[in-house]
Amino acid sequence: KNQVEQSPQSLIILEGKNCTLQCNYTVSPFSNLRWYKQDTGRGPVSLTIMTFSENTKSNGRYTATLDADTKQSSLHITASQLSDSASYICVVSPGGYNKLIFGAGTRLAVHP
Amino acid sequence: GAGVSQSPSNKVTEKGKDVELRCDPISGHTALYWYRQRLGQGLEFLIYFQGNSAPDKSGLPSDRFSAERTGESVSTLTIQRTQQEDSAVYLCASSFTGQHTGELFFGEGSRLTVL
Repeated sequence: KNQVEQSPQSLIILEGKNCTLQCNYTVSPFSNLRWYKQDTGRGPVSLTIMTFSENTKSNGRYTATLDADTKQSSLHITASQLSDSASYICVVSPGGYNKLIFGAGTRLAVHP
Repeated sequence: GAGVSQSPSNKVTEKGKDVELRCDPISGHTALYWYRQRLGQGLEFLIYFQGNSAPDKSGLPSDRFSAERTGESVSTLTIQRTQQEDSAVYLCASSFTGQHTGELFFGEGSRLTVL
C-alpha cells in the first residue's frame, strides 16, 4: 500500500536552533517528492520538489534530502525563526495520473 | 489572478443545508484539485479535473458531494444536506501540468463549519 509517514508528529524548538524532519515512504512507482509548508489557517506552499536523481535541494534556510534507495527524505531547517512555526507536509507523486500521496505532516513550533 | 482564489473563506451553516464553495485557479493551469482537511489532519483527496477530460471523482466521500468545472476555469464544490462531519477546510489547488507530477499551487481554503 502506498504510504507516506512523517516524524515526529510535532516538535518544539527554540529560535535560532536547527531541526530535521523525517519522511519515509512506500510509494511505487516514484516520480517526485515534495515538501510543503502550511501556516495555520493558510494553504500549503511548496518548498522543494525533488526527482529520483536529486539528492539534495535547498530553498533558503530549508534543505531537503532524498535517498531513493531507502525511500527516505528529510527537511532540515537552519537557524530557525518564529515564522517557521507551521506544519510541514511531505508529498510523494507516483507519476502519471496516479494520485499524490500525502503525509500527515509535522507540526513545528519555534519558541523565542 | 496571481494565485488560486477561494470563496468564501469562512462559511457557517446549519445541518441539512446545502453549501457551494468556489475556486478560481491560476490562469493557464489545466489541472484543478479539491482536498479536504479536517482539524489537525492531513489532506484528503476529493476530486481532480484535467481540461475537458472526465473528472476523477474517486475521493468524494458520498453522493452528497459533487463538483463542476467549466473548461479550464472556475470550479464549484457543492455539499448537499450538510452534516457536522463535513466541518473542515476545503482546499483547492491548481497545476500547470495535467499529470500529477507538477507543482501544486493551493488557495487559502474555505473553512466550513456545520452546526
